[in-house]
Amino acid sequence: DQQVKQNSPSLSVQEGRISILNCDYTNSMFDYFLWYKKYPAEGPTFLISISSIKDKNEDGRFTVFLNKSAKHLSLHIVPSQPGDSAVYFCAASEDNYGQNFVFGPGTRLSVLP
Amino acid sequence: ETGVTQSPTHLIKTRGQQVTLRCSSQSGHNTVSWYQQALGQGPQFIFQYYREEENGRGNFPPRFSGLQFPNYSSELNVNALELDDSALYLCASSLDPSSGGWYEQYFGPGTRLTVT
Repeated sequence: DQQVKQNSPSLSVQEGRISILNCDYTNSMFDYFLWYKKYPAEGPTFLISISSIKDKNEDGRFTVFLNKSAKHLSLHIVPSQPGDSAVYFCAASEDNYGQNFVFGPGTRLSVLP
Repeated sequence: ETGVTQSPTHLIKTRGQQVTLRCSSQSGHNTVSWYQQALGQGPQFIFQYYREEENGRGNFPPRFSGLQFPNYSSELNVNALELDDSALYLCASSLDPSSGGWYEQYFGPGTRLTVT
């Protein structure tokens, strides 16, 4: 039973446009959410996080939105750049100390020049 | 500042054997988490070590065990290897859980384990 779902295995976007990556979760006890980016042959890299007390967090071109009632979060990348092409993982945790982050299966983003 | 390193990069083992994977934490990090990533899936949490003690464990059997050393480097040991253990094993280090940056995990490149 997947507690964190990323229903789009892949997404293609034109350079300069907005990329929207979606993530749904089932466990209402999750209170901390993160997005990671992964390039081939490298480990995942932390991108941005949000706690359940917020509904939006912004960092440069990256914005994460959290809708707790819908158990849904999304990552917006504006504008998208070819270097953003990677696999993006959504992760969630019930506790404050990362003892058990649950990752989604990932979405492969391709930004076309 | 050195990043997280893992060794070996690749490993091939036979079913029933034992394997030890190693991880060196990022400088200043005292918490290490291990993950298993099967093909096409996200990383799955195995366990976390903090100050040389296990500090949380995912849904993995006891044949998955770990160690953390005084310099915060860590080992993952897997006994009685099974074919399904074939995966990428990732280690991630992070700051003390009481710090403000506890959630930002720094991952190593992983060890690709193949069990035949």
